[in-house]
Amino acid sequence: DTAVSQTPKYLVTQMGNDKSIKCEQNLGHDTMYWYKQDSKKFLKIMFSYNNKELIINETVPNRFSPKSPDKAHLNLHINSLELGDSAVYFCASSQEHSGGARSYNEQFFGPGTRLTVL
Amino acid sequence: RKEVEQDPGPFNVPEGATVAFNCTYSNSASQSFFWYRQDCRKEPKLLMSVYSSGNEDGRFTAQLNRASQYISLLIRDSKLSDSATYLCVVSFMNTGFQKLVFGTGTRLLVSP
Repeated sequence: DTAVSQTPKYLVTQMGNDKSIKCEQNLGHDTMYWYKQDSKKFLKIMFSYNNKELIINETVPNRFSPKSPDKAHLNLHINSLELGDSAVYFCASSQEHSGGARSYNEQFFGPGTRLTVL
Repeated sequence: RKEVEQDPGPFNVPEGATVAFNCTYSNSASQSFFWYRQDCRKEPKLLMSVYSSGNEDGRFTAQLNRASQYISLLIRDSKLSDSATYLCVVSFMNTGFQKLVFGTGTRLLVSP
């Protein structure tokens, strides 16, 4: 199936641990994103990569480090996890540039990773 | 002030009712506007784009008023399956790439 997939779906861990979330898209898109949805359901962008290059980096603690080994993958590594990191993390992808036109292209979201820090 | 503001609801309506959601945004440089739908414990999915001329997709009608920085979504003949959270979304260009800003969503509950 063509889709944006994330692993793991659920992640429960202790404060202070380091963990990674992986994202893959097989839609052939050139841009990928990480969003955080907190307990109040507020969805906010964290990072965006276009062709493996970082293009959006919101005010996120440097404990969060995204890595894009290729256009189809965008992973998120989190060091020294804190209670406030508990949230659902969504990966998304879109095709930003087609033929030089810079118009909106739909972002497709992965199923989310529910992170709980104890 | 939040960049995109919505009434969180919930809106409780019976099947067949018409319901309207509103949204305001603060950034006048916003270029594109959307409604996304998010079911409980699922990912957001694009419902429809919103244009100044207004646009309709079946039972759903979206309107944009750029002067008032106001976006609306009207759902006619509500179905049980319409129960979800509706996210108002605006986008603007950031360093040459689009950035989406989401509202906190309006929850709709359609009952039999």
